[in-house]
Amino acid sequence: DAGITQSPRHKVTETGTPVTLRCHQTENHRYMYWYRQDPGHGLRLIHYSYGVKDTDKGEVSDGYSVSRSKTEDFLLTLESATSSQTSVYFCAISAHLVSGANVLTFGAGSRLTVL
Amino acid sequence: TQLLEQSPQFLSIQEGENLTVYCNSSSVFSSLQWYRQEPGEGPVLLVTVVTGGEVKKLKRLTFQFGDARKDSSLHITAAQPGDTGLYLCASAGGSGAGSYQLTFGKGTKLSVIP
Repeated sequence: DAGITQSPRHKVTETGTPVTLRCHQTENHRYMYWYRQDPGHGLRLIHYSYGVKDTDKGEVSDGYSVSRSKTEDFLLTLESATSSQTSVYFCAISAHLVSGANVLTFGAGSRLTVL
Repeated sequence: TQLLEQSPQFLSIQEGENLTVYCNSSSVFSSLQWYRQEPGEGPVLLVTVVTGGEVKKLKRLTFQFGDARKDSSLHITAAQPGDTGLYLCASAGGSGAGSYQLTFGKGTKLSVIP
């Protein structure tokens, strides 16, 4: 395994409550990502980070914020969870190959249910 | 954002059959990856193709990158139940920092029946 862990793996929460998902890596990779995966939509990028305190928005960033205070940790926060944020969330890290291609290694996912 | 179309969406076949799944875009790929995802797990990289016309083989899996770098295919020979899963193609968009943002197709869900 590439040394990427997500926590919690499963969470049930109520609408309006804050939720933080954590991604921890031991590979010292510069780039980290948060995706969500939903039936019919596939994997969609929420936010990504290209270094400590350097983050940017992805395709579906509304309602989410991220922070990266250390190379190894990337946090995804839902300030006020909504039912539309029920999803499986995947963290990924990337290594940029010599060929120029960017490949991702994914965590096992965090399943979030917002009631 | 580059739009990736995968087909078919679903595929159910008998063990021992051959199959091909496709990934297409209206834009040129800088590079393309294929991932496989099993239930309850994250996607795992199968292969990366970079050069137009490139063919890569991984045991019973053959990956082809179109000459124009707008399409790719994955062919599985003599499918086995262990091949069951969601097959995703992904490509980087833009340049600079954008080249680190991978866009994924919606996937082909393959079921191989023993």
